[in-house]
Amino acid sequence: AQKVTQAQTEISVVEKEDVTLDCVYETRDTTYYLFWYKQPPSGELVFLIRRNSFDEQNEISGRYSWNFQKSTSSFNFTITASQVVDSAVYFCALSEAVITGANSKLTFGKGITLSVRP
Amino acid sequence: NAGVMQNPRHLVRRRGQEARLRCSPMKGHSHVYWYRQLPEEGLKFMVYLQKENIIDESGMPKERFSAEFPKEGPSILRIQQVVRGDSAAYFCASSPLSGRATEQFFGPGTRLTVL
Repeated sequence: AQKVTQAQTEISVVEKEDVTLDCVYETRDTTYYLFWYKQPPSGELVFLIRRNSFDEQNEISGRYSWNFQKSTSSFNFTITASQVVDSAVYFCALSEAVITGANSKLTFGKGITLSVRP
Repeated sequence: NAGVMQNPRHLVRRRGQEARLRCSPMKGHSHVYWYRQLPEEGLKFMVYLQKENIIDESGMPKERFSAEFPKEGPSILRIQQVVRGDSAAYFCASSPLSGRATEQFFGPGTRLTVL
């Protein structure tokens, strides 16, 4: 069975601070995908990143960066110089990477509510 | 290229009524997933469908819930005799491929409120 744990439930920072959102996952699969989604107050889900379990390189996209550590089953997300517009709920998710026509349903964590104060 | 569309965006029902939620996948996508987000919770998988087939309904409640994805038209999630506990946001996602965990494209969700 797959499981995603986001131990932090709420984080509040002041604008321009850096913040790291933690994600720990459990899976028996050797091949899998990890995701981060953002859910702003408007409610839609915004895709941020997908990472293959074979690729442990860290990724940076503007103010966002992701640290994938297979040894600790973690896929943490850092926002540098946070802005008020970053205020949202952030979800980490996990999927099997099957290649035989089975489905690739996502297992989500419970989400972290990030509040960035001006 | 329109994204995944869901309607209605907001739905209010009284206890005992039926709720029908619609999802039109992205053009060219033939795989649809439904997820439910209860208040203060993450999204939980409900069902995975391909055209005219239910592939995995392991996350669906055993009673009152059903889903379909006909050859023509949108996918429908149907909840009969709704109860207050059904109040949630229901998201659908579509993908163009089976067999690989490609990105799922999410719709804006339908927020169901049961009075």
